Amino acid sequence: GAGVSQSPSNKVTEKGKDVELRCDPISGHTALYWYRQSLGQGLEFLIYFQGNSAPDKSGLPSDRFSAERTGGSVSTLTIQRTQQEDSAVYLCASSYREYTDTQYFGPGTRLTVL
Amino acid sequence: KQEVTQIPAALSVPEGENLVLNCSFTDSAIYNLQWFRQDPGKGLTSLLLIQSSQREQTSGRLNASLDKSSGRSTLYIAASQPGDSATYLCAVRGSEFSGNTPLVFGKGTRLSVIA
Repeated sequence: GAGVSQSPSNKVTEKGKDVELRCDPISGHTALYWYRQSLGQGLEFLIYFQGNSAPDKSGLPSDRFSAERTGGSVSTLTIQRTQQEDSAVYLCASSYREYTDTQYFGPGTRLTVL
Repeated sequence: KQEVTQIPAALSVPEGENLVLNCSFTDSAIYNLQWFRQDPGKGLTSLLLIQSSQREQTSGRLNASLDKSSGRSTLYIAASQPGDSATYLCAVRGSEFSGNTPLVFGKGTRLSVIA
């Protein structure tokens, strides 16, 4: 079936504006993850959703970052009052269950904050 | 706090060579280890997943080994091809004994296979 999809593929915004990034996981996958990949840095975990459980938000870098997952499927990552250091590629992944299973990644959204 | 290190950071080899990429991690209490491939401007593709109870996994020309007690994994690529050129990432997931940590990634090894 279709893989993980993300939109938009590229987003350019001005400092201080809010942005929303979308992730459509693989159908039937109960676990969904958001990561951030900054230039010269490794992938950084942001947040994890598993079924109806409370999300693991331990990786969110500040309270300007939040995420929702509606109906156990689509997820939206919101960054409020964007800063230049938020510029990165934001990657979403899903897996059939939780961490025991292979994670399948989307192509990412490249965010540039001017 | 789990840290994952990959050596070398970059590697260039002629086509046809066998090669080994290294990954080390500081906390041996892991649930599993995954190797990924990332092509420029693209997302990650999972190559191999090794559960903590396993010693190795094989897929085609790829073989990944895991020595949990020493905190090391290697990815062996046989008969390398130009199409293998990409960045290879290693990631570990912590076990319930280390707080069920999410995937922690290394910074990757950038591989170039020269025709």
